[in-house]
Amino acid sequence: DAKTTQPNSMESNEEEPVHLPCNHSTISGTDYIHWYRQLPSQGPEYVIHGLTSNVNNRMASLAIAEDRKSSTLILHRATLRDAAVYYCILRDVLNYGQNFVFGPGTRLSVLP
Amino acid sequence: NAGVTQTPKFRVLKTGQSMTLLCAQDMNHEYMYWYRQDPGMGLRLIHYSVGEGTTAKGEVPDGYNVSRLKKQNFLLGLESAAPSQTSVYFCASSYVLETQYFGPGTRLLVL
Repeated sequence: DAKTTQPNSMESNEEEPVHLPCNHSTISGTDYIHWYRQLPSQGPEYVIHGLTSNVNNRMASLAIAEDRKSSTLILHRATLRDAAVYYCILRDVLNYGQNFVFGPGTRLSVLP
Repeated sequence: NAGVTQTPKFRVLKTGQSMTLLCAQDMNHEYMYWYRQDPGMGLRLIHYSVGEGTTAKGEVPDGYNVSRLKKQNFLLGLESAAPSQTSVYFCASSYVLETQYFGPGTRLLVL
């Protein structure tokens, strides 16, 4: 199964941009890159996903490397509410369910 | 529109006892999932269902059983609880291959 590697933790100042990296060097052509986040004492929530092209939504942007072996989640202006654990996940559409694996993620701290 | 709800929120069991966790969703989603999350770890998939009457094993299915008798409900059963099953359990639902929506979690302590 394709796996992802993320830093254990990162810090950011409030109102500054945050770039959360994810390495997935063994990604296959049918793997979508998904990002979820988990606020303290809550279930995970969807942030963004993409396949090959960069993606933007109201929460964040996803920048995908040309060779797809890495990606970066970008929070344009971090707020205190963005302090959470961020998970980068690969979902293979050909092996649905068994390949949706949450690693330990990156714990983002936002300093006021 | 409540989304995904889980019952109960918290439970304490003694080793060997049984219990059932209930997950309900009102979004008419076909797919439903049960995960467990141990302290400091990511989520691990226990079982999932791709439709009413169907279930399949995930990464860590041992010691658990599931049932999907109605489309909106997904039940997770522990027949004989063990301390190793102390965890936070999350249920999620989704359309076929789309975003997963998670419930608030059930904290289970097995003594």
